Amino acid sequence: DSGVTQTPKHLITATGQRVTLRCSPRSGDLSVYWYQQSLDQGLQFLIQYYNGEERAKGNILERFSAQQFPDLHSELNLSSLELGDSALYFCASSVVGKASYNEQFFGPGTRLTVL
Amino acid sequence: ILNVEQSPQSLHVQEGDSTNFTCSFPSSNFYALHWYRWETAKSPEALFVMTLNGDEKKKGRISATLNTKEGYSYLYIKGSQPEDSATYLCAFIWDSNYQLIWGAGTKLIIKP
Repeated sequence: DSGVTQTPKHLITATGQRVTLRCSPRSGDLSVYWYQQSLDQGLQFLIQYYNGEERAKGNILERFSAQQFPDLHSELNLSSLELGDSALYFCASSVVGKASYNEQFFGPGTRLTVL
Repeated sequence: ILNVEQSPQSLHVQEGDSTNFTCSFPSSNFYALHWYRWETAKSPEALFVMTLNGDEKKKGRISATLNTKEGYSYLYIKGSQPEDSATYLCAFIWDSNYQLIWGAGTKLIIKP
């Protein structure tokens, strides 16, 4: 158990809909990352937040957005869903800095299925 | 554009054999390199973080070496076991911004 929690574990929805995925980082971690793993693909970095502020952006679509709240939990919002958005979405957290060299701890993931 | 390459993409190894695979990264502005193991239906888990040229890390039958001057790291598994089957990811940090740049992974399948 990494200490990172994600809800829900599974999500099935229809095209055109909007969903919200939730992540709670490990206690003490200020940074949260979102990743997408599509079928047979590697880990694609979407976005990073650090202490409530967006820190880095990867291959995140404009239909997707995220935020980190004062209690440090984060939400990833996916809208106008398409079949191709079906994937496993991971959240990871870390203590950014030299002590850990940004070792990231991953949550169990949310499997999104768009029908 | 910074690129991290892992080879081979996939690897089938007989149980009991030893194996190794490579992570290649830009040799300039090296800061650190992470190795992660990602088992099917689980989440990636950190194996090693390597920071110095010539670094060698070991955890049980798995070890890793680092050559920052030529920009590569090797991961070795001695006496492969079925539980070693996983995708092995490396992630490179190129500066003190601590941003991880991920490789696509090497998928290791151990045949009993």
